[in-house]
Order: sequence, then structure tokens, then C-alpha cells
Amino acid sequence: QPVLTQPSSASASLGSSVKLTCTLSSGHSSYIIAWHQQQPGKAPRYLMRLEGSGTYNKGSGVPDRFSGSSSGAARHLTISNVQSDDEADYYCESWDQNPSFGGGTKLTVL
Amino acid sequence: QVQLVQSGAEVKKPGASVKVSCKASGYTFTDCWIHWVRQAPGQGLEWMGWINPNSSDTNYAQKFQGRVTMTRDTSISTAYMELNGLRTDDTAVYYCARVPSVITDYWGPGTLVTVSS
Repeated sequence: QPVLTQPSSASASLGSSVKLTCTLSSGHSSYIIAWHQQQPGKAPRYLMRLEGSGTYNKGSGVPDRFSGSSSGAARHLTISNVQSDDEADYYCESWDQNPSFGGGTKLTVL
Repeated sequence: QVQLVQSGAEVKKPGASVKVSCKASGYTFTDCWIHWVRQAPGQGLEWMGWINPNSSDTNYAQKFQGRVTMTRDTSISTAYMELNGLRTDDTAVYYCARVPSVITDYWGPGTLVTVSS
């Protein structure tokens, strides 16, 4: 079962870019992940599916400001032109017989 | 459009059971698995188990085995999660989520279950 490691917090200034990282455990570096956004008091929302090759497919209605990339075992979510409503918790998810979630990164917009 | 509609908030006493429903629409219910995931106050996401609505096969996280039962009614495109022997630390928001192929792509709005004496 892959273990997904995320920094607990990140911050970005309004209008800047920020790169969030999810790192897969040893032996799972090729795994596909998903990124989910959870705004305060709301249910999670699927953002994208991200492959080890860096190919990503976004969910319906996800703004162009959100993109994905991969480097080895790391899976990145980049948010460009950060907006105030990007302030949220971001979770990564992967699968090996059963799903597992990272601990989440709380993004603060300054 | 895909929608998952969950039942309303519940308040239960320790030792009781709760059954949460998740009604799917906008897609063929039997084409996608349903995961149940919970989130305790201020905590992250915790996977509880999945059900394959087509076959009714289930797989539960070890932590919940013996206490959780996931079922479905294909005639009304609804999945259910029943948790028995409730404890105060089962207080959480319970989400159903659609899984078309390995990865979750739609989430229900969540159902708050409060366990308190």
C-alpha cells in the first residue's frame, strides 16, 4: 500500500504561484495519484488525475490555473495566479488494492 | 451531471448504529465503485471501505471490519454504509465517493454523524 507524504502547510501571496508536493513511498514511484481540494466547511472536490509521466487530466470545471507535474516519486500540483478561494486543504490519493490518502496540505493565501 | 446525494445529519448515543445513504444520479450506478471515507473534526481523510454496486462485492479497511456493512440497492441507485457499536470517536463527516477506475472523481456532500451521550 503506498504511503503518501505531504507537507502540512504552505502559503502563497495573492496572484503568485505555488507548487504543492505529494511524495509516494519507496516502490510506488510509478503510481497514479489524484489531487483533491477541500475548502473550509465543504466536501472534497476532485481536481485531477496525475500519472508518473506527468500527464494529467482535470475534472470538470477545474480552472486552467491548476496544473500537474511529476518527478520521480513526487507528484506536484501547481496553482498559478493564486486566488483567495484557493485557500483550502489539498489531499493526494493513490491506490493499490485499496485507496490511501496523504495527510493533506493546508494552503494559506496571504 | 453526476450527483451523489447523502442522507441528513444524525445524532446517536454510544453503542448505537447509524446507516447513511448515498443516492447516485447522472451516470450508470453499476459502472462505478463507491468508496466511503470519513473525516473526524480537524483531521484528514480516512478510507473505510468500498462496494462494487454491480456485484455487491465489498472490501473494508481492517480498522472497521466487524463494525461496518456496505450495501446497495440498484433499483434506486443508492449505496448504504452502516456502522455499529458507535463510539464518541466515530463522530465525523462521512462521505461517499464515486470511483470509475481506481481514483475518486466525485464526492458526496457528506453526512455529519455525532456520537454523544
